[in-house]
Amino acid sequence: DIQMTQSPSTLSASVGDRVTITCRASQSISSWLAWYQQKPGKAPKFLIYKASSLESGVPSRFSGSGSGTEFTLTISSLQPDDFATYYCQQYSSLPLTFGGGTKVEIK
Amino acid sequence: EVQLVESGGGLVKPGRSLRLSCTASGFTFGDYAMSWFRQAPGKGLEWVGFIRSRPYGGTTEYAASVRGRFSISRDDSKSIAYLQMNNLKNDDTAVYYCTRRDLSNYDYFDHWGQGTLVTVSS
Repeated sequence: DIQMTQSPSTLSASVGDRVTITCRASQSISSWLAWYQQKPGKAPKFLIYKASSLESGVPSRFSGSGSGTEFTLTISSLQPDDFATYYCQQYSSLPLTFGGGTKVEIK
Repeated sequence: EVQLVESGGGLVKPGRSLRLSCTASGFTFGDYAMSWFRQAPGKGLEWVGFIRSRPYGGTTEYAASVRGRFSISRDDSKSIAYLQMNNLKNDDTAVYYCTRRDLSNYDYFDHWGQGTLVTVSS
């Protein structure tokens, strides 16, 4: 199984900050990576596919990059609605696996 | 508008069975693979399994943790996906989410239901 490791597990930031979350795969997954946002008590929301392609309707302040084993999710200017937990998910091979999540908190 | 509504969750004793349903609307259900995920209380996301669309054989794949106990099926005439859970264990306690796989047939999931809580406890 491919292990996905996210860092940091918690991130404290202020509105307007630039935020970067890292996701590492235990082996190369090319660009087969998705990102999701989850708020407490809610279902995950799909943000990004193929490492850097933004889902329709997702604000352009979100961006993804990387390939192989190292990936990043960047929020260019954190907004109040962005405080949430973010998960990466690899779809290079089964079983599909997620990172442990990064909680973005208000500083 | 795409909607996925899960139902069937609840409290069940270890060793018993439960069937979850996912009723879909707002899209041509038969064109899409459907998948189930779960999230134990306070934990991260875990893939449970998926069922391909009929044009792709309608075949299923499962996580090792549920293989042999859980099965996924679909009724395209009713736009419903099912998750049959047998021999439930305490560790199966989680919110279960129904999702729609992207039409590209790559394994990412563009729409999620609101989830249904399954609690396994004696």
